[in-house]
This record gives sequence, structure tokens and C-alpha cells, in this order.
Amino acid sequence: EIVLTQSPATLSLSPGERATLSCRASQSVSSYLAWYQQKPGQPPRLLIYDTSNRATGIPARFSGSGSGTDFTLTISSLEPEDFAVYYCQQRSNWPLTFGGGTKVEIK
Amino acid sequence: EVQLLESGGGLVQPGGSLRFSCEASGFTFSGYAMSWVRQAPGKGLEWVSSISARGGSTYYADSVKGRFTISRDNSKNTLYLQMNSLRAEDTAVYYCAKEARGGITIFGVVSMGNYYYYGMDVWGQGTTVTVSS
Repeated sequence: EIVLTQSPATLSLSPGERATLSCRASQSVSSYLAWYQQKPGQPPRLLIYDTSNRATGIPARFSGSGSGTDFTLTISSLEPEDFAVYYCQQRSNWPLTFGGGTKVEIK
Repeated sequence: EVQLLESGGGLVQPGGSLRFSCEASGFTFSGYAMSWVRQAPGKGLEWVSSISARGGSTYYADSVKGRFTISRDNSKNTLYLQMNSLRAEDTAVYYCAKEARGGITIFGVVSMGNYYYYGMDVWGQGTTVTVSS
């Protein structure tokens, strides 16, 4: 099973700041990594797939990068609605696995 | 509007059974693989099971293998999760999700049937099961 480790667990930032979230895989997943956003009481929402492709309707301030075992989700300038929990998910091998999540909170 | 509506949650005793349903609308249900993902209270996301578009291939997390069964009825646009031998650690919100389809199967990415899938692009609101005596 591929283990995904997300860091930091919590990121405290102010609106307008840049957020950088990390996801590290225990073995290569090539470019087959997705990112999701989840707000309290809501289901997750697909943000990024295949490392760097934005899903439909996702604003350009969200971007993804990386390959192999190290991946990054960047939010260029935080909007109030971006404060949420973010999860990475690998799509390379069964079983599908998620990272433990990074909470982006208002500082 | 693309929509997934789960039902079937509730309180069940350890060792009991429950079946979830997920009714799809707004897209060609029979053309897409589907998945179940759960989230224990205050915890992260855990993939549970997936099924190919026609139902011929199924996949399970080790934690539920042999106890849970995923199935679908494409004539009713409905996905199911039959859960048996429930344990306290199965307590969670269960989400059904539509898989976003890429192209024909390629090496190195999860595939179901003839296609690879790159993420879960539509989610239901979730249904809750509490396993407790």
C-alpha cells in the first residue's frame, strides 16, 4: 500500500498569503496524484488531478506540481473561502489511498 | 445537474448488516466507475471500494474485504454498498463518488474496465452509520 504523508498538519495563514502544502508518497506514483478540498459538513471537492490539472471550475490561484514521490499544492493568494482541509490521493495503484490532510486555518 | 443521493444510514449493533444506496442523476451512470469513501468522526478520508462502469470489476480496501460488497444496477442508476459483520471502527460518514474518466487504460494508473480514472469529481452529501451496542 502506498502511504501518503501530508505536511504540515496545520497551516495558519492570513487571507492574501500564499499557501504551500506538501504530499509525499512512500513510493513513486508517477504523476497520478489528485488533491481535494473539504469544508466542515461538506463532501470533498476535486481540485487538481494528474498532479497539475485543475478540475472544472477551480480557480487559477490553485496549482499543483511535483512528480514521483513529492508533490505540492499551492494557493497563490488565500481567499476567505479557501480555509479548509486539503487531502492528496494517489491514483497509481490499488488500494487507492489518501493523505492524512492539511488544515489551512485563519491566522 | 449532476447529483448523487445516498440513503440507508443508521444505528446498527456490532455484527449487524446495513445496505447503502446511492442514486445518480444528471449523467450517464452506466458510463462511469463509482466509489465509496468513508470518514470516521473527526478523521480523514478512507477509500472503501470501487466498481467499474458495467460492474464487472470490483476493488476493496483490506479493512472491509470479505465483509462489504459493492454493486450497481445501471437500469436504476443506483450504486450499492452491502455491509456485513459491522464493527465499531466502521462508524463513519460514507460518501459515494463518481469517478472522473480519462482515456483508454494506460500503464501505471488505476483502471477499471477499459478506462483509467483520475479522480472523484462528483460526491454525494454522505450517509452515516453508527455501529454501537
